[in-house]
Order: sequence, then C-alpha cells, then structure tokens
Amino acid sequence: ETGVTQSPTHLIKTRGQQVTLRCSSQSGHNTVSWYQQALGQGPQFIFQYYREEENGRGNFPPRFSGLQFPNYSSELNVNALELDDSALYLCASSSEGHSLRGYGYTFGSGTRLTVV
Amino acid sequence: EDQVTQSPEALRLQEGESSSLNCSYTVSGLRGLFWYRQDPGKGPEFLFTLYSAGEEKEKERLKATLTKKESFLHITAPKPEDSATYLCAAFGSSNTGKLIFGQGTTLQVKP
Repeated sequence: ETGVTQSPTHLIKTRGQQVTLRCSSQSGHNTVSWYQQALGQGPQFIFQYYREEENGRGNFPPRFSGLQFPNYSSELNVNALELDDSALYLCASSSEGHSLRGYGYTFGSGTRLTVV
Repeated sequence: EDQVTQSPEALRLQEGESSSLNCSYTVSGLRGLFWYRQDPGKGPEFLFTLYSAGEEKEKERLKATLTKKESFLHITAPKPEDSATYLCAAFGSSNTGKLIFGQGTTLQVKP
C-alpha cells in the first residue's frame, strides 16, 4: 500500500511568482486536504477536495487554489507569492467515510517552500 | 471560534522519566480528537483518535485520554527515539474535513 507522496520536496521562489505543488493520495483514498505549516507552528487548514470539488476552505485568500483529478491526485496553486507564504505545505488523504467521520488522515512528507 | 492549545511548548526529559502533554480544546460538536507525531522535515504520523470523554487508547509507551475540555498524552518511561513534536488536532461538526491543530509540543528525551 503506497502512502501519500508530494512533489517537489523543496522549492525556492521569488516574491510575486506562482507555484504549483503536487500530491498523490494513498491508494483507495478519494479525499485530499492541504495544510500550511509555518516553522514552529501547527498545520493550518487550506482546503479540502472530494470528488474533484472543493468542499471546505480555511482562512486563506483566493490566490490559494487547488485541483483534484479523476485519479484523486491533487495540486495546490499559489499566485502572487508573498514572503509569509514560506512554509511546509502538507497534503493529507483519507477515504470517503473516514474523512466525514474524522478518522485517520494520512499525511505526506510535505513540500518546503521558501519565498525570497 | 474553534481553538486547540497545547502545553508545554517544549519538554525535556531524561530517559525513563514519565510525563504528560496537554491539549485543551474549544470545538463545536467535537467528533474526534487526534494525536500525531511529527519528526523534523516529515509529515505528521497518526497515533490515536479519541471520540468521547472517558475514552483511552494505548500504544507502546504512549497513552491518550480525553475529557470534555482536554486531552492528555501520557508518556511512560520514554526513550530517546520518542523525541519528536507531538501534535493534537480536533475535528468538529463543520463537516468540511478541517482538522484544527494545536501548535505542538516538542519533546526531547535525553539518554
């Protein structure tokens, strides 16, 4: 059973640029969530995708957007990067029933984004 | 507003010295309280889910408990390999899949 894989592992971007982060969910999981984790902080919920539609969003501006594909993989896009966007971006997947009942979410190792 | 607070922020123990980590929460319609372990540069690794006050779960040297306002992660006779950041997260009734995380407790166990 494969886990959640994220790419790339590290990324350096310049302020104002755009970035796309990718996530392959665990086999059998159809729900994907994205989180932002600043250094020394707990993860903050960005949004969740279920059956290719966004079905929940945290307090993040519209320049944070996402996609989920038919194979349940997902992308996180961030436009007009700001210095404060520097963080570890985590993807988490779960199966349909489990996500609604709050069962285990499987996290990837994350993408470390640095904005300079 | 839903909130999760963990204490202490950092904890240093000697090998074998037992202790507890605290997670206080104010979440509407709590549906689950999660504990995760996170090693540096890695994603959170699932440890436990607790669903109702009075519930307890154990795994090796770790034991998680839940009351109506807080959860504790008890570490019995810790070893250096238990060193990590422990995250608590709550899942409420919003039904959007949102986990509300605390800021974590960084545990260091010295041999």
